[in-house]
Formats: sequence, C-alpha cells, structure tokens
Amino acid sequence: DAGVIQSPRHEVTEMGQEVTLRCKPISGHDYLFWYRQTMMRGLELLIYFNNNVPIDDSGMPEDRFSAKMPNASFSTLKIQPSEPRDSAVYFCASSLLNYRGQTEAFFGQGTRLTVV
Amino acid sequence: AQSVTQLGSHVSVSEGALVLLRCNYSSSVPPYLFWYVQYPNQGLQLLLKYTSAATLVKGINGFEAEFKKSETSFHLTKPSAHMSDAAEYFCAVQSRTDKLIFGTGTRLQVFP
Repeated sequence: DAGVIQSPRHEVTEMGQEVTLRCKPISGHDYLFWYRQTMMRGLELLIYFNNNVPIDDSGMPEDRFSAKMPNASFSTLKIQPSEPRDSAVYFCASSLLNYRGQTEAFFGQGTRLTVV
Repeated sequence: AQSVTQLGSHVSVSEGALVLLRCNYSSSVPPYLFWYVQYPNQGLQLLLKYTSAATLVKGINGFEAEFKKSETSFHLTKPSAHMSDAAEYFCAVQSRTDKLIFGTGTRLQVFP
C-alpha cells in the first residue's frame, strides 16, 4: 500500500477563496482523522470518521470548515471562505480497529496551506 | 476525557547522552499510548506503541518507553543520542474506539 495520500502538498490561495484538501486513506482502514498543525497551537484534531461517518467534529474551528467522507477511500476538508489565520499544515491519518485493538494511525505527508 | 501532557517543549542533549522525553496521560479507560516523531517538513511516523501488553515497549531507532500506571506516565528514552535523532516528538493517547489525542510536542536538539 502506498500509505495515506494527501493532495495537494502545497496550496497558496487568496483570502476569501474556497480551498479543498483531499485524502486517500490506507485501504481497509476504518478510521480517518484530520489534524491541523501550527506553531502556536500544535497538532489539533479537527474531525474524525469511523466507517465514513463523522464521529466527533468538535475540533472544527468554525462553520467555514467542513469535512466529508463519501466513501471508504476518499475524504475532503473544505474551507470556505479561507482566511489568513487558516494557514497551517493539515494532516490526514487513518487507522484500523481489529480484533487485536486499535492500530496506530498512519499519517500522510500533509498539505501546507498558505492564505494570503 | 483523555489528554496527554508533555513536559518540556524543548530538550537539548549532547551526542551520546541519554535522551528522556516526558509524557503523562489522563484517561478514564485503559489507554493505548503512542510516541510519534516528526522530521522537518514531513508527516508523523510511529516510534512505538503501548497496547496493554508488555509495559516496556521497544521501538525503532533504539527508542523505548515504559508504561507506568501508578505514575500515569509513558516517558520516552534512548540510551545514547545521535545527531539524526533531532526532531519533534509527540506523545499521543487513544482509547479503544475513541479519537487520537496528541500532546504539544517536544523538540529534541542534539549537539555534537
């Protein structure tokens, strides 16, 4: 497996524009997490899904942020409209709950978002 | 609710010295505990994990961590630091079916 794949790796956009970040989890994994990393706030959990269903979105900062997982192999995180304070590195991670318990989360390389 | 606290946002050691990165957790149920490492401009990689088996867990690159329930700790150690160990290290906690929560990270510097 190629691991968790995120796209794009880098995104520069103007304030007010819509931004969509994409994630392909590891095949067979049933948990998917979206994190945001900044110098000031560290690594924050935004939302996570189990079997494509959002379980906890309490970390989503505002209504401008939305996340979907239409199927087991794809998820998006959308920011509309974007603001400069959204500039961060956004990570997607996936994991599997099996008979042995929870596996570790495998992370993508991240999307570095810059809003100017 | 679960949480982790990493004591010390920066740790500096000399090459060859002992590395000790501290992590304390809070969990109302038996936790799974993890240490991840992040090199500059990269994603997070798993160093090691504790899932209620042996309390002393060995990971990659010579790192190990010991789960101490009485102290609610899961400190990361390495007997002899190498220059290539310079990175940011994150402790994380998760219950069986819950979200994965990270600490604030500890940046390790290794001096020659």
